[in-house]
Amino acid sequence: IAGITQAPTSQILAAGRRMTLRCTQDMRHNAMYWYRQDLGLGLRLIHYSNTAGTTGKGEVPDGYSVSRANTDDFPLTLASAVPSQTSVYFCASSASTGMSYTFGSGTRLTVV
Amino acid sequence: DQQVKQNSPSLSVQEGRISILNCDYTNSMFDYFLWYKKYPAEGPTFLISISSIKDKNEDGRFTVFLNKSAKHLSLHIVPSQPGDSAVYFCAASAGNFNKFYFGSGTKLNVKP
Repeated sequence: IAGITQAPTSQILAAGRRMTLRCTQDMRHNAMYWYRQDLGLGLRLIHYSNTAGTTGKGEVPDGYSVSRANTDDFPLTLASAVPSQTSVYFCASSASTGMSYTFGSGTRLTVV
Repeated sequence: DQQVKQNSPSLSVQEGRISILNCDYTNSMFDYFLWYKKYPAEGPTFLISISSIKDKNEDGRFTVFLNKSAKHLSLHIVPSQPGDSAVYFCAASAGNFNKFYFGSGTKLNVKP
């Protein structure tokens, strides 16, 4: 089934630890995105990538990094997790900028 | 400061009646708007969009209305069905389609 796969589904992480959230899409979409969803704040863009080899910062990029080595994968890394990074993280993709997104099912991350 | 606001966290409607979900924005440069629907433990799914050159877009039971002067858009669902029960997010972009700003969501409950 074509779509976006995120892993893990959920994770409890000790503060200070490094964590990479994985995102893979099989739709050959050019653009990919990472959002976090927090109660009362909706979805906020962390980082995005227009195409393989390029990345950009969104609304809330601090504490996160991304890479886009190929079209299909867009991992999000927390170098040193803090409790404020407790959230649900959604990866999304679109065929090109300006088009609606396809979202993954999310990763629920708890930093303790 | 949130640029897209959904001031009603929840809405309850009887099956068969109209559901009206509202969204306000502050940035007059926004020119493209989307609505997403989200079920628990799933990622958001695209529902309907509208560009600022229109004031209405219709797709089956779903209609989005845009009032640019009031910086307000609304989603009408007629008739509402129990399967429409979900969280609805509105999102807006100002030409840079990498940066969609999302509202905090409205949880719709359609009672049988």
